[in-house]
Order: sequence, then C-alpha cells, then structure tokens
Amino acid sequence: EDQVTQSPEALRLQEGESSSLNCSYTVSGLRGLFWYRQDPGKGPEFLFTLYSAGEEKEKERLKATLTKKESFLHITAPKPEDSATYLCAVRAGTALIFGKGTTLSVSS
Amino acid sequence: EPEVTQTPSHQVTQMGQEVILRCVPISNHLYFYWYRQILGQKVEFLVSFYNNEISEKSEIFDDQFSVERPDGSNFTLKIRSTKLEDSAMYFCASSPQGELGYGYTFGSGTRLTVV
Repeated sequence: EDQVTQSPEALRLQEGESSSLNCSYTVSGLRGLFWYRQDPGKGPEFLFTLYSAGEEKEKERLKATLTKKESFLHITAPKPEDSATYLCAVRAGTALIFGKGTTLSVSS
Repeated sequence: EPEVTQTPSHQVTQMGQEVILRCVPISNHLYFYWYRQILGQKVEFLVSFYNNEISEKSEIFDDQFSVERPDGSNFTLKIRSTKLEDSAMYFCASSPQGELGYGYTFGSGTRLTVV
C-alpha cells in the first residue's frame, strides 16, 4: 500500500534557526514526490517536484532533496512568513497520496 | 499567474440535501481532480477526470458522488444526499498532460458544512 509519513508533526523555530522536515514514503514505482505549502483555510500551494534519488531543488530559503526512501525539506534561516503546514505527497496512478504534514511556526 | 477557481468558498447544507461544488480549472490543463480535507486530517484523493471520463476514483468516491464537465470551462462535484461526515474542505485541482514539473495546481477550496 502506498504510504507517506511526515515528521515531526509540529516544529517551532526561532527566526534564523535552520532545520529540516522529513517525509518517508512507500510506493511501488515512484512517479514523483511533491512538496506543497498550505496556509490555514487555503489550498495546497506547489513548491517542488522530485523524480529520482539524488535530485535536489531550491526556492528561496527552501531546499528539497530525495533518496530512495525519503525526502527532506531543508529550511535555511526561516522567517515568520515561512510559518505554514508543509505537505509531502507521492504520485500513485493519477492520484496524489498526501502525508499529514508538518506545521511549522517561526517566531521573531 | 493562472489559477484554479472554486465557488462557493463556503456552503452550508442540511443533511440529505444535494450540493454541487464548482471549479474552473486552468484553461490549458487536461486532467482535473477533486480532493477533500476533513478538519485536522490529511488531504485525501477523491477522483481524477480526463477526456470527459473518470480516470481513477478512491474508495471515498461512492455512488453518492458524481463529477461532470458540463461545458468547456467548468468542472463540478455533486454530492447527492449529504451526510454529516461529508463536512470537509473540498479542493479542485488540475494538471497538464505529461511532465508534472509544475505540480498539480489546487484551488482555494470550498468549505462544506452539513448540519
């Protein structure tokens, strides 16, 4: 069964304190791993797609990496505006299977 | 930047009533989806739609649910007889054919409250 597990569930950081979010996945034949950001009451906002182990992508303070079993979202020197829930998903057929997300709070 | 538009943003309905949630996907996208998110839970896949037919559906998408593309721009989700447990945020999404380097684009959602 395709499955996505994210950890930690919640993370509190001080502004400027770098950290990483983890996404472990089990899928038969990875056809894409996706990272999304979700603000309260809003739809998921696309961040990255990764397809193969060793692939990395960056956007501002965020960097996503992929291995054969997990993906990391590294946040460098976060700002309060980075506070959100970060969702990881894998593609299974035409569907995305999401994890529960990591809720990040960054305080100034 | 192109976006997926959903209406209404919030709908309250009585148990047993029919509701239709509406979506306008991105114009050059070919795949359309509905997802739902019960408060505090993960985003769950309901159905995918391509070339005017359902491509894939989850166990959640039972006979009380249906989807339709009534014209060239709208994509709808109908719930025939709503139950209390249908209360959730419903997200429409769309994607282009082929490479998904830009991911699936989600709308802002419709919050459905069944009372």
